[in-house]
Amino acid sequence: GAGVSQTPSNKVTEKGKYVELRCDPISGHTALYWYRQSLGQGPEFLIYFQGTGAADDSGLPNDRFFAVRPEGSVSTLKIQRTERGDSAVYLCASSLSGWGETQYFGPGTRLLVL
Amino acid sequence: AQSVTQPDIHITVSEGASLELRCNYSYGATPYLFWYVQSPGQGLQLLLKYFSGDTLVQGIKGFEAEFKRSQSSFNLRKPSVHWSDAAEYFCAVGGNGDKLIFGTGTRLQVFP
Repeated sequence: GAGVSQTPSNKVTEKGKYVELRCDPISGHTALYWYRQSLGQGPEFLIYFQGTGAADDSGLPNDRFFAVRPEGSVSTLKIQRTERGDSAVYLCASSLSGWGETQYFGPGTRLLVL
Repeated sequence: AQSVTQPDIHITVSEGASLELRCNYSYGATPYLFWYVQSPGQGLQLLLKYFSGDTLVQGIKGFEAEFKRSQSSFNLRKPSVHWSDAAEYFCAVGGNGDKLIFGTGTRLQVFP
């Protein structure tokens, strides 16, 4: 079946702009995760959804970052007033039911803030 | 604090040689341990995982890892490396109801 998909694959924006990154999880997976991977680093947890609700958003770096999952499937990560330091690869993953389950990762969105 | 250490940033091996990638973790409860591989332009792919039971875990692509609680380690091994194994490898730790913490990765280069 189809894996996790993310759009766009690449996004270039200017400092101060607003961006939205989309994630389509594997069908039937109730858990969805967002991570950020900076150059030379491992993925860093941002937020975890269980269904429609954010079960753990402790990894969001500040209030410029927000994510939604209104119907419990597709999720959108939103970044306001982007900064150059936000440049990274944003990864989405999904799992069948939650933490402890195998997470399946998408290919990521590479965000570059000029 | 929970953390994962992958002490080797970059490893180079010859094709056909054996491989061991090191992973040490710090975790306050019973850990769930994972190894993921990331090839250029590809998403992270799970190689293997340890939750409980047999401490020697077999994964895909001929990889295995051994959980050693006394050493807080979960090293990844492969007896004979193929050129296609060249990639970045990430170790991660988590727990039941807890987020995953990833290491900084080890880049594997394979020479013919």
